[in-house]
Amino acid sequence: QKEVEQNSGPLSVPEGAIASLNCTYSDRGSQSFFWYRQYSGKSPELIMFIYSNGDKEDGRFTAQLNKASQYVSLLIRDSQPSDSATYLCAVNSGGSNYKLTFGKGTLLTVNP
Amino acid sequence: DGGITQSPKYLFRKEGQNVTLSCEQNLNHDAMYWYRQDPGQGLRLIYYSQIVNDFQKGDIAEGYSVSREKKESFPLTVTSAQKNPTAFYLCASSYRDPNYGYTFGSGTRLTVV
Repeated sequence: QKEVEQNSGPLSVPEGAIASLNCTYSDRGSQSFFWYRQYSGKSPELIMFIYSNGDKEDGRFTAQLNKASQYVSLLIRDSQPSDSATYLCAVNSGGSNYKLTFGKGTLLTVNP
Repeated sequence: DGGITQSPKYLFRKEGQNVTLSCEQNLNHDAMYWYRQDPGQGLRLIYYSQIVNDFQKGDIAEGYSVSREKKESFPLTVTSAQKNPTAFYLCASSYRDPNYGYTFGSGTRLTVV
C-alpha cells in the first residue's frame, strides 16, 4: 500500500514568516511530486511540482525533494494571510499505476 | 480556455434517488478521476478511467457508477445504494502518465435532504 503522510496541523505562523510543510512517502520508486493548495470549500490547485532531488523555486514557494530520505517539503517565504489553506502533497509512483497518491493535507493558518 | 467543468455546483438528493454529477474536460487529457472529500478528510478515490470505454474502481466505489463513452466526459452516478452520499465531489483529469499532475474541476457539493 503506497502511502503519503503529512501532519494534519494546524500549522500556525505569523505574517511574514517562513512556513514549512513536510510530506513523506513510502514508495521508493516514486517519480514525481506535487503540492496542491486548497482553500476552504474550493477545489485543489496545483502550485508546485518537482521531479529531481534538490530545490525548485517559484516566487515565494520552494519545493525540496530528498529521494534518499523519501521526503518532500514546501517552504512558503514571506507568508501572507492569503496563504491560509490546506496544502496537499501528492506523489506519482510511475509504472503502470497511473494515479497520484494524495496525503490528507496540512492546514496552514497565517496570522496577521 | 481549456479546463474541466463540473456541474451542478450544488445538488440536493432525496432518500432513495439516483443522481448524476457531470464532468467535462477540453484539455485533451486521457485520464479522468472522481474523488470524494468529507470535512477535514483527504481525497478518497471513487473511480478512474485511463482510456475511453474503460474504467477501474478506486478505494470507495460501492454505491457509485461511472461511464466513459467519450474522451471529454466522465459522469458519476450516486446511486441509492450509497448510504452516506453527503460530501464534496471532485473530478480531475490528467495525461495518461500524470507527471504533470492533475487538473481539478470546481467540485459538486451533494447534500441528502
